[in-house]
Order: sequence, then C-alpha cells, then structure tokens
Amino acid sequence: QSALTQPASVSGSPGQSITISCTGTSSDVGGYNRVSWYQQHPGKAPKLMIYEVTNRPSGVPDRFSGSKSGNTASLTISGLQAEDEADYYCSSQTTTNTQVFGGGTKLTV
Amino acid sequence: EVQLVESGGDLVQPGGSLRLSCAASGFTFNYYWMTWVRQAPGKGLEWVANIKPDGSAKYYVDSVRGRFTISRDNAENSLYLQMNSLRAEDTAVYYCARDGVTAASDYWGQGTLVTVSS
Repeated sequence: QSALTQPASVSGSPGQSITISCTGTSSDVGGYNRVSWYQQHPGKAPKLMIYEVTNRPSGVPDRFSGSKSGNTASLTISGLQAEDEADYYCSSQTTTNTQVFGGGTKLTV
Repeated sequence: EVQLVESGGDLVQPGGSLRLSCAASGFTFNYYWMTWVRQAPGKGLEWVANIKPDGSAKYYVDSVRGRFTISRDNAENSLYLQMNSLRAEDTAVYYCARDGVTAASDYWGQGTLVTVSS
C-alpha cells in the first residue's frame, strides 16, 4: 500500500495549462480505471474533481480533464484561474480492495 | 442536500481509545459504501478504511488493521470508527466520506481532529 507518486509542486500563470502526474503500479493505477482526483483548499475538505480516470462530476468545470497511460494517470487543468490554486491528490483502487492516495501536489497560480 | 458531520475527535494519550462518529443525511445511507480518510497536520491524505452498505465487508490500511474498527448503523444513518491502541502517528483530521457508485468519494464531511499526545 505505498502512496502513489505525484510531483510536490507545479505552477502556472493564469490562462495557461498544467498537468499533474500520478504514478503507481499494475496493482493500482495500471490495473483499474478507478482513478480519482481531489482538490483541497487550505482548511477545507477535499472535493472530487475527476472519477474513473476521465469523468467529471456535475458542477466541475470542463477545464479539468483526466487521462491514463499504463501505470500513470494525469490531471490537466487548462485556462488556469486563481481559484484553481490548491492541493491536488490522486487516488486509485488497489488489488486488496483498498484505496491509495498520492502524496499530493501543490498548485500555484 | 447531502451532509456528513463528524464528531468525537479529542486529545487522547498514547495507548488510549476513541470512537469517532459520522452522521449522514440527505441520501439513502444504506445504499452506499462509506469511507474514513485522515490527514496528519501539514501532510497528505491517507485512506483509512471503508465498509460495504450492509456492513458485511470492511477493509483497512495496513497501519490501522487490528487497532481500528469501522462500523455503521443504517437505522441511525451513522458511520463509526473505533480507534484503540492509539499512537502519536494517528494524530490527524479524520474525514468521513460517501463513496459513489464509481468508488470515488463524492461527498466529504468537515473533519474531526484527533490528537494523540501525553
């Protein structure tokens, strides 16, 4: 149950695009399409942004998109806005019927 | 409106016990898997445990297995986490979350703080 690997930080200017990677193994990210992404602002609860690799819950802007290739999933945010500045976490189902999170990525806009 | 409200967080000594509760409303509680996730101060999220809608299956992260027990009372729309043999490294904000049909946690509570210290 090792944590998934994410970059500690990424940054971008308003209007630009950024991508956050999330690397696991064939026992989690690579083995399932149950990869999710969460946004967390300081002092707040996490918010689901992407589920099942590519799907957006109702109300999440289409500037947020997800993808996966092999053991690595990615979150792309296009048209960066100031309110996107937050911590982002990926999560994946595992072979042991548990979930595992990534270490988190701090996005600076 | 879906609401999840955690309670029970407190300061407890190492080796002690604590029971967290999560009151759910605004959805049919007994249809959904439920999850506990924790976040140590200044650290990332850590998945702790989840439980099947009827309570017949429960899964735990290795670091709490044998010490923590997740349970639910569908008649009371409540989720629980019994924490025994607490350690300093269990200090964290504990969130309860609803797992949607896709296994993603689509609603979260505001969290309750557990501090393990002498």
